[in-house]
This record gives sequence, structure tokens and C-alpha cells, in this order.
Amino acid sequence: KNEVEQSPQNLTAQEGEFITINCSYSVGISALHWLQQHPGGGIVSLFMLSSGKKKHGRLIATINIQEKHSSLHITASHPRDSAVYICAVSMNRDDKIIFGKGTRLHILP
Amino acid sequence: NAGVTQTPKFRILKIGQSMTLQCTQDMNHNYMYWYRQDPGMGLKLIYYSVGAGITDKGEVPNGYNVSRSTTEDFPLRLELAAPSQTSVYFCASSLIYRVNEQYFGPGTRLTVT
Repeated sequence: KNEVEQSPQNLTAQEGEFITINCSYSVGISALHWLQQHPGGGIVSLFMLSSGKKKHGRLIATINIQEKHSSLHITASHPRDSAVYICAVSMNRDDKIIFGKGTRLHILP
Repeated sequence: NAGVTQTPKFRILKIGQSMTLQCTQDMNHNYMYWYRQDPGMGLKLIYYSVGAGITDKGEVPNGYNVSRSTTEDFPLRLELAAPSQTSVYFCASSLIYRVNEQYFGPGTRLTVT
């Protein structure tokens, strides 16, 4: 079993829909990260979470430490949100970073 | 600032050939990293460096070598290329060792045939 699991693997939605991407992990972590990889390949960091919830524009990230689960939400989705969203965790024991396989999101106009 | 630059963007290698992937950052970051991303898989750390003259292995170092002679440059060397090294390679840098602080380069798509 992978230490970081994301679901769904692929998601296609209509413009304006509310999007949820999930991330579950099985190890002790010091932080969880959400990154965005654009179709051209560039990767940018969106959020770093160690508890609670963070919001940036139309993006909201939440984490439940007890359940070892995080969600990334996109409100009022737009075609420019089409990208691969990657969950990564920084492990407690050695600060090693483990990346999920990513969720490919496609928003249709 | 250009951020993190990588060259080349694309490369096709024959089995057994060697090449160096270049990575340069102009942000005076201490930490630099090399990742590979295989189709349908998460990023895997190949090597990283905490400063000039210091490098360390990541999760998948076999078949690769690195050096860090300056703060700015962190080249990745492939000796005796193999089809298993077909991947997209990303270089990244950060001031501190945190994913959220990492700036990624645009990637190099390498095919070994």
C-alpha cells in the first residue's frame, strides 16, 4: 500500500462545479502539502497544512490529523484550474517527503 | 529573477549513452533537489544537496551522480543510460528543507531507447 493515496485519479467536471480531491496517508507527518502541476509541467506549491483549514482565493485545503486525511476543494471551478494536483507529506521521523501520484483534473467550459 | 532553470527541455538518448541535465537557480537557495516523475507515479527524490560541496542520496539514486560546486548549479549526470531512466526530471530549490518552500524548474523530458 502506498503511504500517500489520492482519489480520484482522474476527474472531469463542468465549469462552475465544486471540486473535491482527497488525500489519505498512513504515516506520522509533520506537514501535508498540496501542489499544482500545470499541463506544461511547471509545479507550484499551493498549501502547507499541519492542522485545520487554509483558504486562498477559490481553493480551500483541510486536514484531519486523527483520520490522516486531507481534502482540497475548488469552488466555482474554471477551465484554467485544469491541472494535476499533488498531495505530499513531510514525515515526522526523518523529514522525508513522500508524494502522491496526483489527481488529474479537467474542467470543461 | 529567472528562478530555477533546466536544460535541455527534451532529450532522446540511446542505451549506454551518458548525459548531464543542467539545473541553475538564482535565488541563493541552500537546498537543491533532483526528482524524477514517471507516468502515473508520484515524484521520487533522486539526490539532494544542502549546500555547495554537500550532496546526499534520495530514494532512487542508482544510475545517477550529482555534484554541487557552486550554490547556483546542481547538475545531474546519467552514466550508461537505460530505458528505466525514461522519465521527466525536475530540479527544485529552497531556502529551507520544506516542500512548500520549493521552487521547481520546468522539467526535462528524457527518453532512452
